[in-house]
Amino acid sequence: QKEVEQNSGPLSVPEGAIASLNCTYSDRGSQSFFWYRQYSGKSPELIMFIYSNGDKEDGRFTAQLNKASQYVSLLIRDSQPSDSATYLCAVTSGSRLTFGEGTQLTVNP
Amino acid sequence: EAGVAQSPRYKIIEKRQSVAFWCNPISGHATLYWYQQILGQGPKLLIQFQNNGVVDDSQLPKDRFSAERLKGVDSTLKIQPAKLEDSAVYLCASSSGTPYSNQPQHFGDGTRLSIL
Repeated sequence: QKEVEQNSGPLSVPEGAIASLNCTYSDRGSQSFFWYRQYSGKSPELIMFIYSNGDKEDGRFTAQLNKASQYVSLLIRDSQPSDSATYLCAVTSGSRLTFGEGTQLTVNP
Repeated sequence: EAGVAQSPRYKIIEKRQSVAFWCNPISGHATLYWYQQILGQGPKLLIQFQNNGVVDDSQLPKDRFSAERLKGVDSTLKIQPAKLEDSAVYLCASSSGTPYSNQPQHFGDGTRLSIL
């Protein structure tokens, strides 16, 4: 079992739709959860982090965390073509940040 | 605030040669990380420093990889000798606080390494 698993892509949504990205993790002791966006050929860029169960909203982005289910998700509302990228889920275990393999999102105009 | 600086951006070498990468973290960030990202995968931690001390190097292939952060600021990562499977992007990241404070990490632009 992988430490961090993301829903396999690619994911394609029309412009203006909601994109839903999912991630599960294996370490019940994980405390911090991050979503990074990575454009092709670029480095990962932090877009959201969440530490507590529930929802956290920032503009068009909402991160959701359910520690009991070991599940974290990212919702992107009103998706734009500029949101087309690979989204990486990352989870801390002790001092180490472990990344999933990413989900490639394409937003079609 | 200046971001994480890395150099070079690209490097092409032949297998069995050596190569070194340099990283300067965000000013004041005590914790520095080196990651390897193979095409199509997420970044994988190689080594983590707090100031000039190693916190976690359990995933560093120590027979060929080495890293140092002598003055607790900038850092170098070296590969000697390189193998074909080392072709990847090497990312440096930094964060404020201690490694266990789980502060967000901020990444540099990376070095894209190709082994011929």
